Amino acid sequence: KAGVTQTPRYLIKTRGQQVTLSCSPISGHRSVSWYQQTPGQGLQFLFEYFSETQRNKGNFPGRFSGRQFSNSRSEMNVSTLELGDSALYLCASSVGGLTSYEQYFGPGTRLTVT
Amino acid sequence: AQSVTQLDSQVPVFEEAPVELRCNYSSSVSVYLFWYVQYPNQGLQLLLKYLSGSTLVKGINGFEAEFNKSQTSFHLRKPSVHISDTAEYFCAVSEVTGNQFYFGTGTSLTVIP
Repeated sequence: KAGVTQTPRYLIKTRGQQVTLSCSPISGHRSVSWYQQTPGQGLQFLFEYFSETQRNKGNFPGRFSGRQFSNSRSEMNVSTLELGDSALYLCASSVGGLTSYEQYFGPGTRLTVT
Repeated sequence: AQSVTQLDSQVPVFEEAPVELRCNYSSSVSVYLFWYVQYPNQGLQLLLKYLSGSTLVKGINGFEAEFNKSQTSFHLRKPSVHISDTAEYFCAVSEVTGNQFYFGTGTSLTVIP
């Protein structure tokens, strides 16, 4: 079974631009969660999608948004990029809900904002 | 909101020695507990999880963890580490009736030959 894939693996953007990251979950998984990982803040939960609906949301500004398609693939968008948005963005999929089920993580997308 | 504290940011240990990585959380409600490992340039991999039942949980690669409800802790242990265990380890918590995952800031384990 193929694992969680994220594209692209690396991105360099400038302040003010917007970016879209993609995540393809494991086949059969309906839940996709997004996390931001930085050296200072560790792993922070962005949001979770289940069956095309955002079910849970972390404490991030509205510049961070996402969506999920009918095939469970998910995209995350960040508008008006700031230097502080430089981070590793991780996607995780699971069979069902956010809790109790094992989450399978992708390799991440490394975003650098200059 | 939950908070997860990993008391040691860096832990150096000699090969074949035992290791304990500490994790404490703040919660007055029932929780699920997890340990993940992250190797360089990779995503996170689940080591083990506590959902209910026995407080001693065994995971992959010879790791185990013990849930202590009174001390709100979930420390990770391995009796004999290998070079290949060098990685970042994350403790995570979610409330049984909640809807969010909370991660600690991570512990960098370095195994010295």
